Amino acid sequence: EPEVTQTPSHQVTQMGQEVILRCVPISNHLYFYWYRQILGQKVEFLVSFYNNEISEKSEIFDDQFSVERPDGSNFTLKIRSTKLEDSAMYFCASSGGEWGYTFGSGTRLTVV
Amino acid sequence: GENVEQHPSTLSVQEGDSAVIKCTYSDSASNYFPWYKQELGKRPQLIIDIRSNVGEKKDQRIAVTLNKTAKHFSLHITETQPEDSAVYFCAATNQAGTALIFGKGTTLSVSS
Repeated sequence: EPEVTQTPSHQVTQMGQEVILRCVPISNHLYFYWYRQILGQKVEFLVSFYNNEISEKSEIFDDQFSVERPDGSNFTLKIRSTKLEDSAMYFCASSGGEWGYTFGSGTRLTVV
Repeated sequence: GENVEQHPSTLSVQEGDSAVIKCTYSDSASNYFPWYKQELGKRPQLIIDIRSNVGEKKDQRIAVTLNKTAKHFSLHITETQPEDSAVYFCAATNQAGTALIFGKGTTLSVSS
């Protein structure tokens, strides 16, 4: 069964540092997403990406965040200057249409 | 924006009993309602979904019902087993249809 792959599985970073989280969506999917989940809380939408541009973003996705699809397979989330409250599990997801997401296994980001 | 409320936050049942989790949504334009199961430290996994043109859908021990007029949908698990123990999240598409908005989750515990 096709999978969404995320790397790294766990990243520890100093406050104020930049981090890049990487995702390889399912190859024939067209829609890509980033979500985050703070420990013990619900999954929160960050951004959706379609046709090489952001289609929607939440209020969480401020100027510190950016996404990129640098080549035909990777989809990245960059946090420019991390804050303690950015500590969370970040999930990438992709879908072939508007529904039927497949989530990746997540990157646990710890900001110290 | 879309708001999804989920109840109860915790649910404990005996093995073999049924479990029901309920969600309400605020945006009448929502048209897709998935349910996810999340085990500790793992990704959300889609267990069943329903679209707005259908009132009920069943897959073995799992069923989902949708009442568009009342803007609520429910997950029904029959003959529960210990391996059903997990956190269950409902979700609904936002108005633009480009993102899923999640409920806060229900921790289901099935004791044998």
